[in-house]
Amino acid sequence: SQQGEEDPQALSIQEGENATMNCSYKTSINNLQWYRQNSGRGLVHLILIRSNEREKHSGRLRVTLDTSKKSSSLLITASRAADTASYFCATVSRGNTPLVFGKGTRLSVIA
Amino acid sequence: DAMVIQNPRYQVTQFGKPVTLSCSQTLNHNVMYWYQQKSSQAPKLLFHYYDKDFNNEADTPDNFQSRRPNTSFCFLDIRSPGLGDAAMYLCATSSDRYQETQYFGPGTRLLVL
Repeated sequence: SQQGEEDPQALSIQEGENATMNCSYKTSINNLQWYRQNSGRGLVHLILIRSNEREKHSGRLRVTLDTSKKSSSLLITASRAADTASYFCATVSRGNTPLVFGKGTRLSVIA
Repeated sequence: DAMVIQNPRYQVTQFGKPVTLSCSQTLNHNVMYWYQQKSSQAPKLLFHYYDKDFNNEADTPDNFQSRRPNTSFCFLDIRSPGLGDAAMYLCATSSDRYQETQYFGPGTRLLVL
């Protein structure tokens, strides 16, 4: 069953701009993860944020988590053409269930 | 480099003809997962192994089976592929269940004729 819903479904920006993607989920979580998938390839883990954390950074990535609103956002700063990919949020719910992925946001960065 | 390898990358089979997809890992992880991903959709977990303990998702069709002969290898068997089984099949691993980052292979794209 699907837990996360990403918004928007698709996003197109110019190189150098920032990209923000949002994820909402339904049940209480242990952690939330973001993954990237280039076209026709496997998924690559980007960042994991635990339920007791509010913000994490990794390079040009910034993830926030608001457990009261059951939502997370992924910010990619100074985007590059190589950032073009689909981005998925995935959650591990309390009670320890396997990762459940949302439908993803397709990001296009135009050079 | 430690990694997850899937073979073949592309597989063409005929309707009803059994097919096996393979996955191997050099990460020495306890957990291995199989996902099905159809175009523009989220990856859907089919089943996972925690060491030798097999865990099937409730809505995984009986047509799909898996084997894990040792820590490094895991196989996905589709006994009688239908047209609806055409998809990307992703193998992933993690060091422990539920909590941890998953490491994905490049996927096998299955086409059913």
